[in-house]
Amino acid sequence: AQSVSQHNHHVILSEAASLELGCNYSYGGTVNLFWYVQYPGQHLQLLLKYFSGDPLVKGIKGFEAEFIKSKFSFNLRKPSVQWSDTAEYFCAVSGAGNNRKLIWGLGTSLAVNP
Amino acid sequence: GAVVSQHPSRVICKSGTSVKIECRSLDFQATTMFWYRQFPKQSLMLMATSNEGSKATYEQGVEKDKFLINHASLTLSTLTVTSAHPEDSSFYICSAPGSGDQPQHFGDGTRLSIL
Repeated sequence: AQSVSQHNHHVILSEAASLELGCNYSYGGTVNLFWYVQYPGQHLQLLLKYFSGDPLVKGIKGFEAEFIKSKFSFNLRKPSVQWSDTAEYFCAVSGAGNNRKLIWGLGTSLAVNP
Repeated sequence: GAVVSQHPSRVICKSGTSVKIECRSLDFQATTMFWYRQFPKQSLMLMATSNEGSKATYEQGVEKDKFLINHASLTLSTLTVTSAHPEDSSFYICSAPGSGDQPQHFGDGTRLSIL
């Protein structure tokens, strides 16, 4: 079955701490992987994506994620978080090509204390 | 860049009312649009895939007669929640795929509250 699992439901960090949010997926075939962010009161925004090539992808606001095919993982990282990173983070996977349906993880709520 | 406009952003209405939510692609054509429902502190649940010129594809467990979807043109898809009840209160979001390998573009969502 197709699924996305995010290991951390709630994360609380202090500013300048490092962040890693886990994401594992189950999906047959070639995948596209995404991390979306939803700031309080705002709509979903794409943080970064992986389609092919370098498995280490860099996104906006200093975020990066690494695709490890053997582990079916796409963990999100940021070396030093800021208070403004407080948000919900969603990992998602879709098939490549014309299969555009996204399978979503349950999300991780990140709170960064100033 | 590509923008998806969703309207209205918030609806409060009485039980038994039908509510229509519009999703427009503003500067691109979308033969497919997705409708999601998001419960508080939870992930997005795909309700249905809207297909221009043909019937929508509903996910398992989603009532077709309850959530009517019409994709009348290449830039407009509508979701109508018929005879809404308090349990239908939720946040509804639409999205449209970008071209090629571009990811989906999301609307701002509609907060539906049924009294």
